Amino acid sequence: GENVEQHPSTLSVQEGDSAVIKCTYSDSASNYFPWYKQELGKGPQLIIDIRSNVGEKKDQRIAVTLNKTAKHFSLHITETQPEDSAVYFCAARAEAQKLVFGQGTRLTINP
Amino acid sequence: SQTIHQWPATLVQPVGSPLSLECTVEGTSNPNLYWYRQAAGRGLQLLFYSVGIGQISSEVPQNLSASRPQDRQFILSSKKLLLSDSGFYLCAWSVLLGNTEAFFGQGTRLTVV
Repeated sequence: GENVEQHPSTLSVQEGDSAVIKCTYSDSASNYFPWYKQELGKGPQLIIDIRSNVGEKKDQRIAVTLNKTAKHFSLHITETQPEDSAVYFCAARAEAQKLVFGQGTRLTINP
Repeated sequence: SQTIHQWPATLVQPVGSPLSLECTVEGTSNPNLYWYRQAAGRGLQLLFYSVGIGQISSEVPQNLSASRPQDRQFILSSKKLLLSDSGFYLCAWSVLLGNTEAFFGQGTRLTVV
């Protein structure tokens, strides 16, 4: 089955700097890769996603890149702000509609 | 619009007691339904998923079970809770076919004492 690895587990950046979170997946059949943001005590919410027929997608300060050959994808947040502080999860979907998540990255933006 | 309801929000249960967490989805039909568990400071572990009424797939052997008695209802149960069952339980749904996002409920924080 699918296995998703996410790094780093914690990330601290200065406000205004960029943050990058990386994930790798094992199942070459995976074709959908969402990123979620989870605030304390709440359920995760989708912030951006990418499908396997696209290499890059951008939405304002957030971008995701996908390298299918290497089976890895990354989240890029530019011009970070204090409200970006949260736990971020990557995920991959392959067979049988299962959505498998990475271990999460706790991002802290320092003012 | 679609909404997902999960309750209760918090629960404290003694070891050995039964458990029933309920999740319902409104505004859609034939959804995929999921139960995830999040241990403190850890990632999201897929426990069960369902593609239809009565169809349950279990991802990991454990002390829990799931049922889907109606199209938009997903129940997580245990006959006897263990201390290790403590965690944050999240229900989610997605469209049955196609690659789309999963929508999460607000979660239930379960503490087994």
